[in-house]
Amino acid sequence: QKEVEQNSGPLSVPEGAIASLNCTYSDRGSQSFFWYRQYSGKSPELIMSIYSNGDKEDGRFTAQLNKASQYVSLLIRDSQPSDSATYLCAVNTRGSYIPTFGRGTSLIVHP
Amino acid sequence: DTGVSQNPRHKITKRGQNVTFRCDPISGHVSLYWYRQALGQGPEFLTYFQNEAQLEKSRLLSDRFSAERPKGSFSTLEIQRTEQGDSAMYLCASSLEAFSNTGELFFGEGSRLTVL
Repeated sequence: QKEVEQNSGPLSVPEGAIASLNCTYSDRGSQSFFWYRQYSGKSPELIMSIYSNGDKEDGRFTAQLNKASQYVSLLIRDSQPSDSATYLCAVNTRGSYIPTFGRGTSLIVHP
Repeated sequence: DTGVSQNPRHKITKRGQNVTFRCDPISGHVSLYWYRQALGQGPEFLTYFQNEAQLEKSRLLSDRFSAERPKGSFSTLEIQRTEQGDSAMYLCASSLEAFSNTGELFFGEGSRLTVL
């Protein structure tokens, strides 16, 4: 079992819809969780971080963490074509300061 | 531009040749990471530096790979006797703090290696 699992997609949503991206992780002691966005041919950039159970909102983005179920999700409200990218989930497992990345989910927002 | 800088951006080489990539992190950043990203995959960790000390190495880093960060400034990643399986994007990232599991990683644009 991989440490960080994501569905590779693509996830296709219409403009204005809510896009829901999911990630599961294997180490129950993981403490830090990140979502990076990576446009095609570009490098990853951090868009959200979350450390405790519950929701964290930043503009159109909401990160949700459920440590009991070992999943973290990212919701993008009012999706725009410019949100089309690969979204990488990254997790700092127990005792580590080195993020482990999932394979990423490709999101396509069509007009 | 004060972001993470990587050179060269693209490298095409023949199997068996040696290649070297350079990374200039954001000034003042203590931590420096190298990741490898194959097409359609997420970044895979290779090695971590805190200042000039190489503190972590992935088992992916075979004896053909070597990295250094002299004086805690720029870093180089060398691949000797390249193989076709080495073809990938090599990403460098830096972060401000040491031993932090909450810090943001700032990535460079990457160095794409193609081994023929």
